[in-house]
Amino acid sequence: EIVMTQSPATLSVSPGERATLSCRASQSVSSNLAWYQQKPGQAPRLLIYGAYTRATGIPDRFSGSGSGTEFALTISSLQSEDFAVYYCQQYNNWPPLTFGGGTKVEIK
Amino acid sequence: QVQLRESGPGLVKPSETLSLTCTVSGYSISNGYYWGWIRQPPGKGLEWIVSIYHGGSTFYNPSLKSRLSISVDTSKNQFTLILSSVTAADTAVYFCAKTLTGPFDVWGQGTIVTVSS
Repeated sequence: EIVMTQSPATLSVSPGERATLSCRASQSVSSNLAWYQQKPGQAPRLLIYGAYTRATGIPDRFSGSGSGTEFALTISSLQSEDFAVYYCQQYNNWPPLTFGGGTKVEIK
Repeated sequence: QVQLRESGPGLVKPSETLSLTCTVSGYSISNGYYWGWIRQPPGKGLEWIVSIYHGGSTFYNPSLKSRLSISVDTSKNQFTLILSSVTAADTAVYFCAKTLTGPFDVWGQGTIVTVSS
């Protein structure tokens, strides 16, 4: 099973600032990596797939990078609606599909 | 557009069997895609449970496989998760979702399941 590790667990950022979230895989997942955003009481929303391709309707302030075992999600200028929990997920070697533990982006 | 909606009992007793149904609208599940279940215990992260292809190929999370089954009813455009011998550790929000190759691009709103006597 591929273990996905996200850091930091919590990221405190001021609105308008840049946020960078990290995701590490225990073995290479190539570019088969997705990012999700989840707000309280809601289902996750797909942001990025293929490590860097934005899903339909996702603003361009969200960008993904990386390949192999190291990945990042960058939010270029945080808006109020971006404060949420973010998860990465690998789909290169499954079953099982595996998610990271999440990074909470909170208002500083 | 494609929409998914979960349904099932909100409360299940320990050792009993949980059955959850996902109803799909806006797309015929017999036309393709994988359809899956993911769960989220209170205050915790996401755990993939199972995915089924419309043709019947099924992939299970090995940690749950011995207690799992899943079926598809194309006439009702639904797929159903069955989890046996539940314990408190199965208490979670259960989501159904759609995927083509792995990332889940459409999710249901989720249904809360509590395992308690």
